[in-house]
This record gives sequence, C-alpha cells and structure tokens, in this order.
Amino acid sequence: EPEVTQTPSHQVTQMGQEVILRCVPISNHLYFYWYRQILGQKVEFLVSFYNNEISEKSEIFDDQFSVERPDGSNFTLKIRSTKLEDSAMYFCASSDSSSTGELFFGEGSRLTVL
Amino acid sequence: QKEVEQNSGPLSVPEGAIASLNCTYSDRGSQSFFWYRQYSGKSPELIMFIYSNGDKEDGRFTAQLNKASQYVSLLIRDSQPSDSATYLCAVNLDNTDKLIFGTGTRLQVFP
Repeated sequence: EPEVTQTPSHQVTQMGQEVILRCVPISNHLYFYWYRQILGQKVEFLVSFYNNEISEKSEIFDDQFSVERPDGSNFTLKIRSTKLEDSAMYFCASSDSSSTGELFFGEGSRLTVL
Repeated sequence: QKEVEQNSGPLSVPEGAIASLNCTYSDRGSQSFFWYRQYSGKSPELIMFIYSNGDKEDGRFTAQLNKASQYVSLLIRDSQPSDSATYLCAVNLDNTDKLIFGTGTRLQVFP
C-alpha cells in the first residue's frame, strides 16, 4: 500500500541551528502538507503546497520556515534558526484532492531543540 | 478563531459496547468533517469522512453530522481493545485546503 515516508524519524538539534525535514509523498498525489503536534497538544496546520508553490500557510509558518519540492519526489520543510518551542512532531501529509481533506500522513519526524 | 472542540476523556467502555465520540465546531463555513485515529506516538490515520447531514456507516464505524447544531459524532460498535486510541475530529472549511483538528478524545476499551 502506498505510504508517505519521512526522514529523519528523530532529530536533536541545538537552538539556532537549521533543520531540514524530508518527506516523500504518495506518488500520484498533488497536494502536500506539513502539520505539527507539540507533545500533548492538538495537530496544527503549518502549510499546504500545490503546483510548486505555497497555497496556504498558518500564523505558525513564519519567515523561519520554508518548504521546497526540489525534485519530483521529495518535499522538505526547513527551519532556519530553531527555537525551543519548535520542539514537536512534524507530520507530512499528501492528498490527491484539495477539496476532500482525505490526508494520508507520514509517521512523523520528532524534532527536539535543546 | 475557528475551533473544534472535543472532550479529552478518557472515555472508558467495555469490550463489545458502543463507544460514542462527539465533536462540535464553531465555523458554519465548515464543509467536510473527518475522524482520525491516533495511537500513542503514531501519526493520524483516517477512519471516516462525512460531508452531508445524516449518518454514514463503514463497518463498525458510523459518522453522524448535524450542520444545524454544528455537531459531528463517531460511533464505534462492538468496541475492541485494539480500538483504544485517541480519536481526532477535524474539519475543512470552504475555500481552504487545511484541516482544523480538535484536541482528541482518548478511548479506552477494556476486556
């Protein structure tokens, strides 16, 4: 069964360092997303991406965040200068439709900022 | 602020019983409604989605939507210990492709 894959599964970094989280969405999907979940809290939308550009972003997704689809398969989330409060589980998701919201989530990348 | 509200639980039911999970949402512009299951330390997994008022059944799961009351629920029949997880309600507003999640209800099914 097709799945969304994410790497790394866990990353520990020092405050102020840059982090890149990688995702390989399901191959025939066109809509890509990043969500995050701080431990014990709700899943929060960060950004959606379609046709090689951001289609929507939340208030969380400030100038420290960026997304890129550098080739036909990878979808990356970059955090330029990490803060303690960026510690969370980051989920990549993909969908074949923007309207239905039937998202398929990857297993997540746990980011710990020290 | 567009909100999705759920009782955090835990909701404890015996094996074989019906578990009823509830969710309310604040924005009348919400168009699509989803239930995701999340096991501890894992990613959300789609269980059901519903777009129209009424009931939608899929196996042991039934989603119920009442747009007038801004209420969506999930019934799990013949609950199994493997159903023990956190159930996340999510809504999708019109003209947006993001999901707004509730905090989730933790379900415990005991043998």
